[in-house]
Amino acid sequence: QQQVKQSPQSLIVQKGGISIINCAYENTAFDYFPWYQQFPGKGPALLIAIRPDVSEKKEGRFTISFNKSAKQFSLHIMDSQPGDSATYFCAASRMDSSYKLIFGSGTRLLVRP
Amino acid sequence: GAVVSQHPSRVICKSGTSVKIECRSLDFQATTMFWYRQFPKQSLMLMATSNEGSKATYEQGVEKDKFLINHASLTLSTLTVTSAHPEDSSFYICSALTLRLSGFSTDTQYFGPGTRLTVL
Repeated sequence: QQQVKQSPQSLIVQKGGISIINCAYENTAFDYFPWYQQFPGKGPALLIAIRPDVSEKKEGRFTISFNKSAKQFSLHIMDSQPGDSATYFCAASRMDSSYKLIFGSGTRLLVRP
Repeated sequence: GAVVSQHPSRVICKSGTSVKIECRSLDFQATTMFWYRQFPKQSLMLMATSNEGSKATYEQGVEKDKFLINHASLTLSTLTVTSAHPEDSSFYICSALTLRLSGFSTDTQYFGPGTRLTVL
């Protein structure tokens, strides 16, 4: 019930295309859903986050879509660039659980020039 | 803003020695810090949660006597890997969270750059 399932494991997209990464959760008590980007040898960096009272959030080329009834959320990267090539992690947390993040398994994105 | 630093960035040590890793929040007060480890091509695994001035809470399966965590101030937490062995070689990452209104999101974890530990 604490798991966050992420797919696909890897993704190859042409430059300018749309990258889509999906996550699903079971615990309806989760109240915060961030996405992190990680480059090799570096710590994760927060990309964008959403709360369950909002169905979509957009920041630049990055959009989170949130479906509360389906317990799913996804990251869309518009106009994908080679510099977006990295590993992306979705996560979920609960305020009443010390804000501990439960991470998905990660998606390795490769954007080809 | 929201910068978290780690020191050292890379450490190589001999089996049986202890290694200390520092995690600092540079521009905000971290009410809670988290320590993760990450194996190659895997996700982050939470090791422990520490609140300033109190004992750390360890996740199931993490040896608290092996991974000593001290959260001495609102800007510094340390992880000491005691009697390190080759199987402790990993990428250790800390994160910091603030519950205090300081211009930063109050439930966002900000991550450090990580420390690569290699035990020979």
